[in-house]
Amino acid sequence: DTAVSQTPKYLVTQMGNDKSIKCEQNLGHDTMYWYKQDSKKFLKIMFSYNNKELIINETVPNRFSPKSPDKAHLNLHINSLELGDSAVYFCASSQEGTGVEETQYFGPGTRLLVL
Amino acid sequence: GDSVTQMEGPVTLSEEAFLTINCTYTATGYPSLFWYVQYPGEGLQLLLKATKADDKGSNKGFEATYRKETTSFHLEKGSVQVSDSAVYFCALRNTGFQKLVFGTGTRLLVSP
Repeated sequence: DTAVSQTPKYLVTQMGNDKSIKCEQNLGHDTMYWYKQDSKKFLKIMFSYNNKELIINETVPNRFSPKSPDKAHLNLHINSLELGDSAVYFCASSQEGTGVEETQYFGPGTRLLVL
Repeated sequence: GDSVTQMEGPVTLSEEAFLTINCTYTATGYPSLFWYVQYPGEGLQLLLKATKADDKGSNKGFEATYRKETTSFHLEKGSVQVSDSAVYFCALRNTGFQKLVFGTGTRLLVSP
């Protein structure tokens, strides 16, 4: 009964490869996000989707392409992986209303290591 | 743009000591403020939040008060435990924006 789940948990791959990370939420939320946590633990938004529509694209290289097949899923595909893509990628979800108090719930993270 | 500043870590305490982790923010408008905690090898969990000035968020013995006059949201706990060892993130979310803006995180190490 995990609220926000991600697969895989760990991903080790070579430079130049293409890989995908999957995220699913069973909270019935309408908005999902991808955040990147670098080696210094700094967290930054990458994308958000609301009801399958892209809302935020925070100057992420176009090698990163999110896809939302339905509002419970948000996948992240990364082309031509680079060493600097090594990080922990967190998926999150929230139910958006009219205010700023909506809580975002995070998945366990996917630890990506590019060799 | 909006930003969050947290104290540098690590913060090293003995069990039962008093904890304060400072957090200040810069934002236009009236943001909501959050503390998230990340235990070793795990994802982020919401610890507490406050949505308007003078609100106090509290959970698991932790508390923080939204101070608009000092643009601060300091995290406190009266008596820490070894199990509180983790990285603590202060974050804000502003009106009209869906994203959370995080501070750099503060690592807390509690020894027996």
